[in-house]
Amino acid sequence: NAGVTQTPKFQVLKTGQSMTLQCAQDMNHEYMSWYRQDPGMGLRLIHYSVGAGITDQGEVPNGYNVSRSTTEDFPLRLLSAAPSQTSVYFCASSRGHGRGGPTYNEQFFGPGTRLTVL
Amino acid sequence: AQSVTQLGSHVSVSEGALVLLRCNYSSSVPPYLFWYVQYPNQGLQLLLKYTSAATLVKGINGFEAEFKKSETSFHLTKPSAHMSDAAEYFCAVSDRNRGSTLGRLYFGRGTQLTVWP
Repeated sequence: NAGVTQTPKFQVLKTGQSMTLQCAQDMNHEYMSWYRQDPGMGLRLIHYSVGAGITDQGEVPNGYNVSRSTTEDFPLRLLSAAPSQTSVYFCASSRGHGRGGPTYNEQFFGPGTRLTVL
Repeated sequence: AQSVTQLGSHVSVSEGALVLLRCNYSSSVPPYLFWYVQYPNQGLQLLLKYTSAATLVKGINGFEAEFKKSETSFHLTKPSAHMSDAAEYFCAVSDRNRGSTLGRLYFGRGTQLTVWP
């Protein structure tokens, strides 16, 4: 069981470039989400998905796009990178049902992608 | 929306001393409450969670937390710190409401724990 995997681990982009951060999980979890972590800010939710074909915005969705074509994969796309998107990005997944749904269940986090935009 | 306040962005203790990391939430309805730990260059790992069973929750690595509704608090403690406890700790809450905030975790800003030998 690999859990939640993210690629790449590190990435440097120039302003205006686009790229996709990959996230995959092998636990058959319905719920997946993307967070960004900035110093002194904790983690902030970018986008989330409650199942294949269903996505929704979190707190800080601007400049990011997601899709969920399979249960396993939840890629995050940066459309036109900006220096303000320099951050560490974490993907997480959890079971979607059970008592309270994903609000009750533990979220499993990937190791993160450290992104620098110049 | 929920908000979470972690008092103290940095806490330093000596090895063997009591660890106390503070967390307060804002909600009229007690939410689900979590503590996560992040070791350097790693993702977050669940330490413990409160889901309205016992108010004193025991987690991994000797940590525990007590839910106090009257104080809207969920402070994390460990009786005796170990060098391996040095990490960043995040308190998080999620709504019991399964509507528009389904699955959303609201994180505090984190507390960096340093353990001195």
